[in-house]
Amino acid sequence: DIQMTQSPSSLSASVGDRVSMTCRASQNIGNYVNWYQQKPGKAPKLLIYAASNLQSRVPSRFSGSGSGTDFTLTISSLQVEDFATYFCQQSFTTPETFGPGTTVDIK
Amino acid sequence: QVQLQESGPGLVKPSETLSLNCTVSDGSMNSFYWTWIRQPPGKGLEWIGYVSDNGNTNYNPSLKSRVTMSLDTTINQFSLKLRSMTAADTAVYFCVRGLPLQPGDFFDYWGQGTLVTVSS
Repeated sequence: DIQMTQSPSSLSASVGDRVSMTCRASQNIGNYVNWYQQKPGKAPKLLIYAASNLQSRVPSRFSGSGSGTDFTLTISSLQVEDFATYFCQQSFTTPETFGPGTTVDIK
Repeated sequence: QVQLQESGPGLVKPSETLSLNCTVSDGSMNSFYWTWIRQPPGKGLEWIGYVSDNGNTNYNPSLKSRVTMSLDTTINQFSLKLRSMTAADTAVYFCVRGLPLQPGDFFDYWGQGTLVTVSS
């Protein structure tokens, strides 16, 4: 199975901050990474697909980059509603696997 | 707006079989991967597998011996059966729509999730 790791596991930030988090795959997966946001008690929500494509109706402050084994999710100006856990997921091969998540909380 | 809704028991006894259904509203079932993902309380996400619109299946090898997925496009529903349940299968189960990228996919619509607890 392809292992996905995320760093940091958690971060504290303030509204308006630029925030970045990384996801690393255990092997080359091209651009087959998707990013999701999950709030407590809710289903994950798709933010970015295929590494850098913004899902419809997702605010443009979210962006994704990377290819191969290293990927980044960036929030350009953190808003109150962005405090949540973010997961990366690889779809390069099955079984599809998720990273353990990065939790963004209020500083 | 596509909506997915899981239905099934919230409590299953050890060794029994879990049966979950997912009803898809306001959308066709064609050309998608109808997927099940689970999340143990306080933990990460695990891909269980999918059934495609033509009935092909792809399961996580870690669960393959215990899983069966199927779909019925006439009633816009797909289902999951997981046999020989243990406490380790306690989780929130999500039904999800996968949009194929060929290869790969992404999950654009999710059900709200249903908590399944395995306990006697």
